[in-house]
Amino acid sequence: GAGVSQSPSNKVTEKGKDVELRCDPISGHTALYWYRQRLGQGLEFLIYFQGNSAPDKSGLPSDRFSAERTGESVSTLTIQRTQQEDSAVYLCASSLGVTGFEKLFFGSGTQLSVL
Amino acid sequence: AQKITQTQPGMFVQEKEAVTLDCTYDTSDQSYGLFWYKQPSSGEMIFLIYQGSYDEQNATEGRYSLNFQKARKSANLVISASQLGDSAMYFCAISPYNFNKFYFGSGTKLNVKP
Repeated sequence: GAGVSQSPSNKVTEKGKDVELRCDPISGHTALYWYRQRLGQGLEFLIYFQGNSAPDKSGLPSDRFSAERTGESVSTLTIQRTQQEDSAVYLCASSLGVTGFEKLFFGSGTQLSVL
Repeated sequence: AQKITQTQPGMFVQEKEAVTLDCTYDTSDQSYGLFWYKQPSSGEMIFLIYQGSYDEQNATEGRYSLNFQKARKSANLVISASQLGDSAMYFCAISPYNFNKFYFGSGTKLNVKP
């Protein structure tokens, strides 16, 4: 596609439910990132995928968070047993993943609200 | 470890004036890249400008320039001739050469006054 696509754009859920957020990166981009942005805050790194390498999961805040990526395409971020503190915008970004310095292309984000 | 510090939570500037947004960083890497992103109220993150740690000249992209002072570990963004559409959050970020993580600052909210 022309840009990074995220769905849904908004998700309201009840505390304790599981949610799944989807990211479709730019075609040909081997690197994919998930970030969390709480209201009025900066971006918090969650997880990074690069090609077929093992993902860097060092930013995942708890074992309720997990993410998968199918090859070099779609990624899903799953949050189990959601808590109110999980409410945030979840941003996905991708880059070519070829050289050392590349800009990130971001999606529009998923606004998650946990009631 | 990497760290980005943006000390200005909010800034005001008059339309058509220039404004400087501060960014300092801390890194143990010798090779790294510095980036600035704009986030309007719509939430989209828009890439503005990039500076490599070995670049001797300051980066420029249209009305945006990056005042890179390596010894002081600062990478300030300068916006010339501010426009109302420049009102947004601005984030500074650093990425070490292996680019597996981008570290973002807490952002500066810029308001351009007519």
